[in-house]
Amino acid sequence: AQTVTQSQPEMSVQEAETVTLSCTYDTSESDYYLFWYKQPPSRQMILVIRQEAYKQQNATENRFSVNFQKAAKSFSLKISDSQLGDAAMYFCAYRSAIYNQGGKLIFGQGTELSVKP
Amino acid sequence: DGGITQSPKYLFRKEGQNVTLSCEQNLNHDAMYWYRQDPGQGLRLIYYSQIVNDFQKGDIAEGYSVSREKKESFPLTVTSAQKNPTAFYLCASRRGSTAGGYTFGSGTRLTVV
Repeated sequence: AQTVTQSQPEMSVQEAETVTLSCTYDTSESDYYLFWYKQPPSRQMILVIRQEAYKQQNATENRFSVNFQKAAKSFSLKISDSQLGDAAMYFCAYRSAIYNQGGKLIFGQGTELSVKP
Repeated sequence: DGGITQSPKYLFRKEGQNVTLSCEQNLNHDAMYWYRQDPGQGLRLIYYSQIVNDFQKGDIAEGYSVSREKKESFPLTVTSAQKNPTAFYLCASRRGSTAGGYTFGSGTRLTVV
């Protein structure tokens, strides 16, 4: 079974600085998707960024980028120029690309990010 | 606008009672999912359904039941057999293709009183 691990329960960053959130996963599959979701105090889940395992290029969305290391099974999220609105719980998630796996997301435990003004 | 509606936002249950959480989507998504969120444990899958009239257990299905009689609806019943039901429950849906992205509802907070 696949697992996702986020080893940093809490992180803190100064406004305008850069922070990296760590995520590792375990799978025997070669084709899958990885995600970072943001959950602000409203508890609405917001997709931050997505990476297809077959793509070697790291995904980027504005101030958010990932460092995808497939061999090491690592998927970290870098937030540049941190803003107060980035404060939230961040979840790393895995999804198999195999149809009969149901498309279910497997989540890590989450990292609570605080941004200091 | 298309989306997922979960209701109610807050729900209180007395011990020994069954309660049903509603999840409705108008996105024409094939697959629907129920997750439970507890502090420090992330989101854990309760049940999921890829097509109408079919559903599968997730990692923590004990004490829960679901139905999928319509494509738009995937209600979750928390039965009296669920020993620790107090949690935040999230519903999600997804297009049938493997590349389909998720859409999440706004959640239901269930508290046992």
